[in-house]
Amino acid sequence: GNSVTQMEGPVTLSEEAFLTINCTYTATGYPSLFWYVQYPGEGLQLLLKATKADDKGSNKGFEATYRKETTSFHLEKGSVQVSDSAVYFCALVAQGGSEKLVFGKGMKLTVNP
Amino acid sequence: NAGVMQNPRHLVRRRGQEARLRCSPMKGHSHVYWYRQLPEEGLKFMVYLQKENIIDESGMPKERFSAEFPKEGPSILRIQQVVRGDSAAYFCASSLDRNSYEQYFGPGTRLTVT
Repeated sequence: GNSVTQMEGPVTLSEEAFLTINCTYTATGYPSLFWYVQYPGEGLQLLLKATKADDKGSNKGFEATYRKETTSFHLEKGSVQVSDSAVYFCALVAQGGSEKLVFGKGMKLTVNP
Repeated sequence: NAGVMQNPRHLVRRRGQEARLRCSPMKGHSHVYWYRQLPEEGLKFMVYLQKENIIDESGMPKERFSAEFPKEGPSILRIQQVVRGDSAAYFCASSLDRNSYEQYFGPGTRLTVT
């Protein structure tokens, strides 16, 4: 079946540090890939997405590139801020099926000043 | 535009009681999804509905759980005879149409079964 595996953390970084959160997936065909962010006490917000191979999604300084050959969609940010403290979820929607999201377990990030 | 609304935000039920969770999608959205987040786990899909239709309920437990999205009013996730293992955060998401691939999430309902 379809699945997403991501770094689970928790991870603590200092402000302005470089961030990478690894995400790999298993799916048939060409799924659409997403990163969602959940701030404390809130629902999930779409951070970025990519719908085909080699697409790069970007938003708020975060980037992720859809790599079909390595079935990966790693999230990166060059310089994190305290306000980036949240839980980050990698997810996919399988091609041709129901539009349900399949999520990784999430990774909690804490950024200290 | 108001976002996806869920109520209540927190719900406490004793074992054996019923829990009703409500979700009002974003204005203009006719597709609703329910997900459950158990402690220390990611979100798991439960059910996908359009107005008056269940499209995919492959993630719903076979017993005690039901969902509806009537022509008028919010979507309801109903859990009968709750057990402690039902304690979780339940999130609703909505989308504009089947192919948008963008789901907008509500703040969730945190159910605690005592």
